[in-house]
Amino acid sequence: QVQLVESGGGVVQPGTSLRLSCAASGFTFSTYGMHWVRQAPGKGLEWVALTSLDGTNKDYADAVKGRFTISRDNSKNTLYLQMNSLRIEDTAVYYCATLGVPWGQGTLVTVSS
Amino acid sequence: DIQMTQYPSSLSASVGDRVTITCRTSQDISNYLAWYQQKPGKVPKLLIYAASTLQSGVPSRFSGSGSGTDFTLTIRSLQPEDVATYYCQKYNSAPQTFGPGTKVEIK
Repeated sequence: QVQLVESGGGVVQPGTSLRLSCAASGFTFSTYGMHWVRQAPGKGLEWVALTSLDGTNKDYADAVKGRFTISRDNSKNTLYLQMNSLRIEDTAVYYCATLGVPWGQGTLVTVSS
Repeated sequence: DIQMTQYPSSLSASVGDRVTITCRTSQDISNYLAWYQQKPGKVPKLLIYAASTLQSGVPSRFSGSGSGTDFTLTIRSLQPEDVATYYCQKYNSAPQTFGPGTKVEIK
């Protein structure tokens, strides 16, 4: 069935890096622009980044620009988010998303010293 | 960047009431607006896209309207299972900002 499954979250210290993955199935991944959205504990939804169908065009929220990189591998139906120089305020559940496809459960990233 | 406002920030209504949530953008986004429902402890779920198109499987008591800068989400007859936070999102261009959310409770 149509599914997005995020992975790669964990507990890390400030200043370190983490790479999130999102495995897509049940739909033609290469025909969808893909996004990362996050939600800090008890807070609202925050759009993080998007990539175009072929990965050539990317955009980022100001809060992560220069630190996070979104990418995709259409041969593997997988979306990635490379997160560098992590900050305490990056602590959140991270979701991959695209309009019309049910969101996955997300993956929790906790940045703590 | 385009600013998103939503109001009210919270509301309490009785079962069967008509509920309206408003989303306003600081610039014209045509109809590139979606509404999401997030129940407590759950993943956000798409309700409406293109401002007024109901996502498949969403109950018909939900409806959306508007274009340009002013949009509304209406729940025709509030049900207990509609307790949730509702978010609007613009998707005409990046950043694809979400509104701050409206928390809906049962009175």
